Amino acid sequence: GDSVTQMEGPVTLSEEAFLTINCTYTATGYPSLFWYVQYPGEGLQLLLKATKADDKGSNKGFEATYRKETTSFHLEKGSVQVSDSAVYFCALSLNRDDKIIFGKGTRLHILP
Amino acid sequence: SQTIHQWPATLVQPVGSPLSLECTVEGTSNPNLYWYRQAAGRGLQLLFYSVGIGQISSEVPQNLSASRPQDRQFILSSKKLLLSDSGFYLCAWSVWVAGSGEQYFGPGTRLTVT
Repeated sequence: GDSVTQMEGPVTLSEEAFLTINCTYTATGYPSLFWYVQYPGEGLQLLLKATKADDKGSNKGFEATYRKETTSFHLEKGSVQVSDSAVYFCALSLNRDDKIIFGKGTRLHILP
Repeated sequence: SQTIHQWPATLVQPVGSPLSLECTVEGTSNPNLYWYRQAAGRGLQLLFYSVGIGQISSEVPQNLSASRPQDRQFILSSKKLLLSDSGFYLCAWSVWVAGSGEQYFGPGTRLTVT
């Protein structure tokens, strides 16, 4: 079935380090892909999205490119900050309706 | 602009007691509404989905029920809570546009069943 797999955390980095959180998906058809972020004690917020192959979503210094050939949507940031500490969810929508399939989330800790 | 509210923010309830969590959305009409549960160390589990007043789809069999008495109001209930009902409950809304799929989440309710 349709699913999202993302790297397990927690991921711990020092401030200003380079970040990659891997995400791969399995889906029929052509899904839209998303990264959501959840700050401590809060709900989820959409961070970025891409709706077709080779699209790059970007926001707040984060980027992810929709790679159809590798069915991936890895999240990257060149220089992380302490304020980026959160849980990051990779997700897809099959575009038949607006249900979203979420990965299990990756907790990110940034040390000052 | 659209906003989504959930209450209460935190709740501690004994096993066997009833539950009612409320979610309301402002600034949009006829949204699709969702209830998710997030258990510690696990991802998001979709519990219920509603496309309109009185229309509820249950995604997983469980001890909980949902109702949508008004267009922008979504309620999660239980007659008798179990320990396994503890978790972080999130309400979300969306308005489906082909190729979009975005959902907007409330701040959540942390439920502890003791």
